[in-house]
Amino acid sequence: IVLTQSPLSLPVTPGEPASISCRSSQNLLHSYGHNYLHWYLQKPGQSPQLLIYLGSNRASGVPDRFSGSGSGTDFTLRISRVEAEDVGVYYCMQGLQIPRIFGQGTKLEIK
Amino acid sequence: EEQLLESGGGMIQPGGSLRLSCAASGFTFMHYAMTWVRQAPGKGLEWVSSISSSGGSTYYADSVMGRFSISRDNHNNTLSLHMNSLRAEDTAVYYCAKDAPPRQWPRLDGFDIWGQGTMVAVTS
Repeated sequence: IVLTQSPLSLPVTPGEPASISCRSSQNLLHSYGHNYLHWYLQKPGQSPQLLIYLGSNRASGVPDRFSGSGSGTDFTLRISRVEAEDVGVYYCMQGLQIPRIFGQGTKLEIK
Repeated sequence: EEQLLESGGGMIQPGGSLRLSCAASGFTFMHYAMTWVRQAPGKGLEWVSSISSSGGSTYYADSVMGRFSISRDNHNNTLSLHMNSLRAEDTAVYYCAKDAPPRQWPRLDGFDIWGQGTMVAVTS
């Protein structure tokens, strides 16, 4: 499985929306009905943290300005209104099989 | 609180060996597979190795196959990564992460717990 993120760099004005795309070379929709595509944010100097799991579920403590959508091979992470604390690198990852594969990462910066 | 704490990183010469450890607390360690993920300086995240909850099954990235060995001690809630024949390209921060329970394996609902990472620098 190959995951392709775009864009790789994302300058955003605070208060404006932002979106990141993640495309998979294989279908990540399991027969049980779940999409095994997850999103992480790695803030500067920190470990990655889970933002969105199974395509569209916010992890515990994640603000509701973050949302995930998509199914099968095309997924999108959206931030409704970017805040300064959202800077960092966003990664998608497939959780359907071994090996665990990550996208290249998208660096979000504040304009 | 669920926590993972890595240790064992450092500077090592090419061809050398190092053992990383990851101490787990706050969750039932033996109920989950575990994984190592690394990040080279300025680069993205790379899956390295995973081990089943019992320790009976192990998995490796092609880049480390035959050189690295993952193991676990379910009595002491500890995950290990034995790294041999180290190369400059193994230089990275190594993270351990909580993986899936056996009933779901290999399907994973996201790595919800990560350690703080331990740095390995392979340099002459």
